[in-house]
Amino acid sequence: GQQVMQIPQYQHVQEGEDFTTYCNSSTTLSNIQWYKQRPGGHPVFLIQLVKSGEVKKQKRLTFQFGEAKKNSSLHITATQTTDVGTYFCAGGSNTGKLIFGQGTTLQVKP
Amino acid sequence: DSGVTQTPKHLITATGQRVTLRCSPRSGDLSVYWYQQSLDQGLQFLIQYYNGEERAKGNILERFSAQQFPDLHSELNLSSLELGDSALYFCASSVRPGANVLTFGAGSRLTVL
Repeated sequence: GQQVMQIPQYQHVQEGEDFTTYCNSSTTLSNIQWYKQRPGGHPVFLIQLVKSGEVKKQKRLTFQFGEAKKNSSLHITATQTTDVGTYFCAGGSNTGKLIFGQGTTLQVKP
Repeated sequence: DSGVTQTPKHLITATGQRVTLRCSPRSGDLSVYWYQQSLDQGLQFLIQYYNGEERAKGNILERFSAQQFPDLHSELNLSSLELGDSALYFCASSVRPGANVLTFGAGSRLTVL
């Protein structure tokens, strides 16, 4: 079945350093979504990418969707302590099923 | 408040028991999804409903069942509970299936002793 792999599983950075998480699907996706889950919280939608090669920015966050629509990345520039949490990618298929990656947990040392 | 309501927030029960988790989707959303999140694990897709009909099924155990009612609320039934069923169960909703944003509820934390 469809699988979405996300790496790394954990990342510890010093405040001010950059951070990147990568997402790879075993099948071509119709779209990819990114969610953030703060410690003790629930996943909250960040962004959706639909087009091949699409790049979107939200302040210090940059999201990319691969040309083959099978991979994606989230890059955070100059991390802050408020960036702490687990970042999930979720691959969407034409059937409507949304498969989440395992998530990357980000710790930021002040 | 995301608009998706889940009850109960916490539930402690014993092995072999049966529990029901309830979800009310955000106003206007027709599709409901159930996910299981075990400790330090990702979100495992269980099942999805759209306007009362089952739309997609994930790795949902035969001991688990779900339904969506005419008023669009959904229930997830977990029976013959095992220790390994202890997890956070999230409900999410979207306007329709497909390329839509999910709004998650706060989750129901189930502990099986």
